[in-house]
Amino acid sequence: ETGVTQSPTHLIKTRGQQVTLRCSSQSGHNTVSWYQQALGQGPQFIFQYYREEENGRGNFPPRFSGLQFPNYSSELNVNALELDDSALYLCASSRDAISTDTQYFGPGTRLTVL
Amino acid sequence: EDKVVQSPLSLVVHEGDTVTLNCSYEVTNFRSLLWYKQEKKAPTFLFMLTSSGIEKKSGRLSSILDKKELFSILNITATQTGDSAVYLCAVFQTGANNLFFGTGTRLTVIP
Repeated sequence: ETGVTQSPTHLIKTRGQQVTLRCSSQSGHNTVSWYQQALGQGPQFIFQYYREEENGRGNFPPRFSGLQFPNYSSELNVNALELDDSALYLCASSRDAISTDTQYFGPGTRLTVL
Repeated sequence: EDKVVQSPLSLVVHEGDTVTLNCSYEVTNFRSLLWYKQEKKAPTFLFMLTSSGIEKKSGRLSSILDKKELFSILNITATQTGDSAVYLCAVFQTGANNLFFGTGTRLTVIP
């Protein structure tokens, strides 16, 4: 059983640019949640994808968008990057949307916006 | 407003000490409380608690939930340097689909 993987590991962008982060869910899982973790803070929920549809969203602006593919891997896109977007971006997969309290986290992508 | 508050924010102890980490919550439609350990990047699952008064144990770690007083504690006995990490508490709400995290407690264990 493969775990949750994310790419890239690190990324440096400048303000105004766009970025795409990728996540492969654990085998057998059809639900992916994305979180933003700023330095010294706990992870904050961005959104969740279940069977290729957005299934809930946290308090993030529309420039944060996502996709889920038929193999249940997922992308997080952030447009018009701001300095405050610098953070660790975590994805987590779960067996289904009902079992979201049992989530398995990937290693994260560290995004730095200059 | 829903909130999860962890205390202390940081803690420095010597190897062999016992520590207690606290998590209090005020959320609607509580379903479960989870503890995670985060060393470098990925939070790793420790415990999920749904019922009051039932202690969960894993080696030197244990945790218990009090749904009347709305808090949970995580105990680590005979601490080791490998226990140094940020410990995150999160709550899952019925009808929601995300974990709501506290800010974490940073534990440092000195040899």
